[in-house]
Amino acid sequence: RKEVEQDPGPFNVPEGATVAFNCTYSNSASQSFFWYRQDCRKEPKLLMSVYSSGNEDGRFTAQLNRASQYISLLIRDSKLSDSATYLCVVRATGTASKLTFGTGTRLQVTL
Amino acid sequence: DVKVTQSSRYLVKRTGEKVFLECVQDMDHENMFWYRQDPGLGLRLIYFSYDVKMKEKGDIPEGYSVSREKKERFSLILESASTNQTSMYLCASSPQDSYGYTFGSGTRLTVV
Repeated sequence: RKEVEQDPGPFNVPEGATVAFNCTYSNSASQSFFWYRQDCRKEPKLLMSVYSSGNEDGRFTAQLNRASQYISLLIRDSKLSDSATYLCVVRATGTASKLTFGTGTRLQVTL
Repeated sequence: DVKVTQSSRYLVKRTGEKVFLECVQDMDHENMFWYRQDPGLGLRLIYFSYDVKMKEKGDIPEGYSVSREKKERFSLILESASTNQTSMYLCASSPQDSYGYTFGSGTRLTVV
């Protein structure tokens, strides 16, 4: 079983739509969680951290459910520029700063 | 603007060659990482280093070695390149006790 699992998509949504991505992780000792964004043929970049109480950054909302080992990302009012691959990322206890990446969910926002 | 620089954007090497991938960061970060990224497999950690001359194996270290002689430079070495090492290689760095990685723009290596 992969440490971090995501639906690869693609998710094709019209501009203005709300879209949600889910991610599950297998290591219950995981203690830090993130969403990264990766544009085509570019390097990944940190989108946002995910906190236990849930957190919001503009149109983006991240949620964490430790009991179910589940992380989500909600994007409201999708823009064409949101088209990218979204990577779910976790860090387990005692692994220094080593991060484990999911394979990513591809989002395509269309007119 | 903080930067992680990888020496080559594209490389083509022959099977059996020794290959060096260089990564330099200008942020005085303690931690540096080498990942490879393949379709359907995502990013997989090859090696990482949390200090000069220190190295730790990641999830897929076989066929690779690393060198960190200076804090700003972390080199990935393919001792004898093979076709299954054709991939996108990404270097990243982060400060100690921080999880915010900064990635380089990647090196797309093709082994023929």
